[in-house]
Amino acid sequence: GIQVEQSPPDLILQEGANSTLRCNFSDSVNNLQWFHQNPWGQLINLFYIPSGTKQNGRLSATTVATERYSLLYISSSQTTDSGVYFCAVGGSYNTDKLIFGTGTRLQVFP
Amino acid sequence: KAGVTQTPRYLIKTRGQQVTLSCSPISGHRSVSWYQQTPGQGLQFLFEYFSETQRNKGNFPGRFSGRQFSNSRSEMNVSTLELGDSALYLCASSYNPSEAQYFGPGTRLLVL
Repeated sequence: GIQVEQSPPDLILQEGANSTLRCNFSDSVNNLQWFHQNPWGQLINLFYIPSGTKQNGRLSATTVATERYSLLYISSSQTTDSGVYFCAVGGSYNTDKLIFGTGTRLQVFP
Repeated sequence: KAGVTQTPRYLIKTRGQQVTLSCSPISGHRSVSWYQQTPGQGLQFLFEYFSETQRNKGNFPGRFSGRQFSNSRSEMNVSTLELGDSALYLCASSYNPSEAQYFGPGTRLLVL
């Protein structure tokens, strides 16, 4: 099956700093999503981005499907950005089955 | 539009018991998926339902089962609970398969 690797595993930042999270996947995908899991366990959908670039406020994401990676950019980080960021991919059409990476744990300090 | 809801939010059971978890998708969403999250195994796919049909099942024993009703609400059942079933169980919905998925708050199950 498809393997998903995320880096770095842990990231510690001071408020205001920028960061880049990376997701590598081992095979072609038709579905790629980025999620943020808050300290209470809720998974928030950040981007649905099987290819191309999207931006939402301080967050943006880019997926280069031909090179099998995706990047999540967080600018001007805030303490509320803390949590775990997951990349999840789907390799088949017409299915919701997602394979999750192991996540990047982000801690933002004031 | 209300988000995905899951009940109950917390549950404590003992080994050998069974448990039923419920998930109500976002209004209009027809696809529901379930995931198990543990510290050791991370997030793992359990099963997926669309139009009351199970379309996919993950690598879990037969003690894990589920179903979807005509209103798209879904339930999952775990029989003969084991200590290793302690986990956060997450439900997600989408309008169609392969589209953006939205997760509920999860059910935390503790098996003693």
